[in-house]
Amino acid sequence: AQSVTQLGSHVSVSEGALVLLRCNYSSSVPPYLFWYVQYPNQGLQLLLKYTSAATLVKGINGFEAEFKKSETSFHLTKPSAHMSDAAEYFCAVSLRGAQKLVFGQGTRLTINP
Amino acid sequence: DTEVTQTPKHLVMGMTNKKSLKCEQHMGHRAMYWYKQKAKKPPELMFVYSYEKLSINESVPSRFSPECPNSSLLNLHLHALQPEDSALYLCASSQAGLVLDEQYFGPGTRLTVT
Repeated sequence: AQSVTQLGSHVSVSEGALVLLRCNYSSSVPPYLFWYVQYPNQGLQLLLKYTSAATLVKGINGFEAEFKKSETSFHLTKPSAHMSDAAEYFCAVSLRGAQKLVFGQGTRLTINP
Repeated sequence: DTEVTQTPKHLVMGMTNKKSLKCEQHMGHRAMYWYKQKAKKPPELMFVYSYEKLSINESVPSRFSPECPNSSLLNLHLHALQPEDSALYLCASSQAGLVLDEQYFGPGTRLTVT
């Protein structure tokens, strides 16, 4: 069964520091992978998605993620954190042909001034 | 317009009440979804409608009854809920229900069952 594991339920970084949120997937076939962000009291917003076109995916708000098949990883990064990045981040996976997303447990990102 | 709207924003209901949640999108999307999200947990898929037909039901109890009157509207009818059903209910839509399609989420309805 496909699943995603997000390492670290809570990550705290200083403003201006590198953001690294980890996501590993388990799938017997190449999956589609997504990162969503959820701000307090809001729905989810897509940051970026991997659909096998390119291993390095650039998203909104300066975020990017790299698909590494050998490591079964799809970690999310941002070179310089901003206070507005504080939110909950979800990695999600979907198999080709399936119509549903399976979300990881989420990582809460806190930005320290 | 890339907005999915949900009403009401908050709902408190007793275990014997009947209520409905409403979701609307005007992006021409043909797939719509209901998710349930408990506090500090990821969203869990409940139902998927594709071209106004129910395509996925994730073994949701019958006290939750979805309805898709047309391609822009999605309702979730609630009856005889339990306190453990208290959660944030999210609606989403996507262009055609393909896994490549981005899902656009509404802000959710926060439901409390007393």
